[in-house]
Amino acid sequence: KAGVTQTPRYLIKTRGQQVTLSCSPISGHRSVSWYQQTPGQGLQFLFEYFSETQRNKGNFPGRFSGRQFSNSRSEMNVSTLELGDSALYLCASSLGLLAVEAFFGQGTRLTVV
Amino acid sequence: ELKVEQNPLFLSMQEGKNYTIYCNYSTTSDRLYWYRQDPGKSLESLFVLLSNGAVKQEGRLMASLDTKARLSTLHITAAVHDLSATYFCAAHDTGTASKLTFGTGTRLQVTL
Repeated sequence: KAGVTQTPRYLIKTRGQQVTLSCSPISGHRSVSWYQQTPGQGLQFLFEYFSETQRNKGNFPGRFSGRQFSNSRSEMNVSTLELGDSALYLCASSLGLLAVEAFFGQGTRLTVV
Repeated sequence: ELKVEQNPLFLSMQEGKNYTIYCNYSTTSDRLYWYRQDPGKSLESLFVLLSNGAVKQEGRLMASLDTKARLSTLHITAAVHDLSATYFCAAHDTGTASKLTFGTGTRLQVTL
């Protein structure tokens, strides 16, 4: 079956712009989590969604936001981009709230110049 | 707040040798994960450990969990070059749906 799909795979943006990243979970999975990976901070939790509701949010500024649609697809948005937002953004898909397995997409590599 | 510490950060191993990566977590967690990441790639799930004393093995990798010590280990037996990658442990933040807190990762380099 198809895995977790993230689009686009690569992005280059200029400081001050905004960006939207997309994540399509595995068919039947209803929970999506987002993570930011940087060399300095490692893997950090951004937010998680289940049934179109944000369940938890990590310690990121309000410029980072997200949403989940009725088909479980999720988007995250970063406004007023800063150089430090350059990172690999990963989303993870799982069946539901008590699901054990979490499967990661290939990620979106965002470069802010 | 759940914190996960992983060591060593970097591990250079000779082929054929054994070694262990350690993962400590600060508060109770009901699930402990191990992932592998190749350069420029995503995270590949290796193991999920759910209970005290759990042990899982796949090929040359074996993971175990001691919930009382809040410690998980990833043991590498007779390393081969194909195992070169970065390995992450992650603990599930109990009380959240799926939030994982990751360790810093261990970059494993297997040399001839």
